[in-house]
Amino acid sequence: GDSVTQMEGPVTLSEEAFLTINCTYTATGYPSLFWYVQYPGEGLQLLLKATKADDKGSNKGFEATYRKETTSFHLEKGSVQVSDSAVYFCALRTRGETSGSRLTFGEGTQLTVNP
Amino acid sequence: EPEVTQTPSHQVTQMGQEVILRCVPISNHLYFYWYRQILGQKVEFLVSFYNNEISEKSEIFDDQFSVERPDGSNFTLKIRSTKLEDSAMYFCASRDPLGRTSGELFFGEGSRLTVL
Repeated sequence: GDSVTQMEGPVTLSEEAFLTINCTYTATGYPSLFWYVQYPGEGLQLLLKATKADDKGSNKGFEATYRKETTSFHLEKGSVQVSDSAVYFCALRTRGETSGSRLTFGEGTQLTVNP
Repeated sequence: EPEVTQTPSHQVTQMGQEVILRCVPISNHLYFYWYRQILGQKVEFLVSFYNNEISEKSEIFDDQFSVERPDGSNFTLKIRSTKLEDSAMYFCASRDPLGRTSGELFFGEGSRLTVL
């Protein structure tokens, strides 16, 4: 079945450091890929998405490129801020599902950014 | 900005008791979902609901679970007889298949269930 694997956390960085959170997936068909973020005390929010190979999703300075050859969707940001501290979830949705938008999630990676 | 709201934020219950978790999806959304996350584990799909019926459910969603949209605004998840392993954060989500955000699920803040 479909699965998503994220790098183990937690991740602690200093402000303005470069961030990479690795995500790889296994899926049948051609999935859409997502990064969700959960800030403290809040729900899961869509951060960015990519729906086909070589697409790049971007939002709030974060980027991720859909790499079909390596089945990866790594999240990157060039300069993190304290306000980026949150839990980040990689997820996929396989096209053609009858339910519409059933997501398969990774484990989540806790990011803490220190001033 | 419209949002999905969930209540309670935290519930503690005894094993064997019934629990109802409530969700108010975004008003014009048509698809509704429950997911859960056991502490330290992945967020897992439980069930999707459309047009007043379950459209898909996972193997987790056994006879102890049920969902209902009783009044056109609330969407509830009931666990009939809770077990220790039901302790988790439960997330409700909704989706508008017709609008500008047709591909996106909007999630609530979650309801933490602790079964003792």
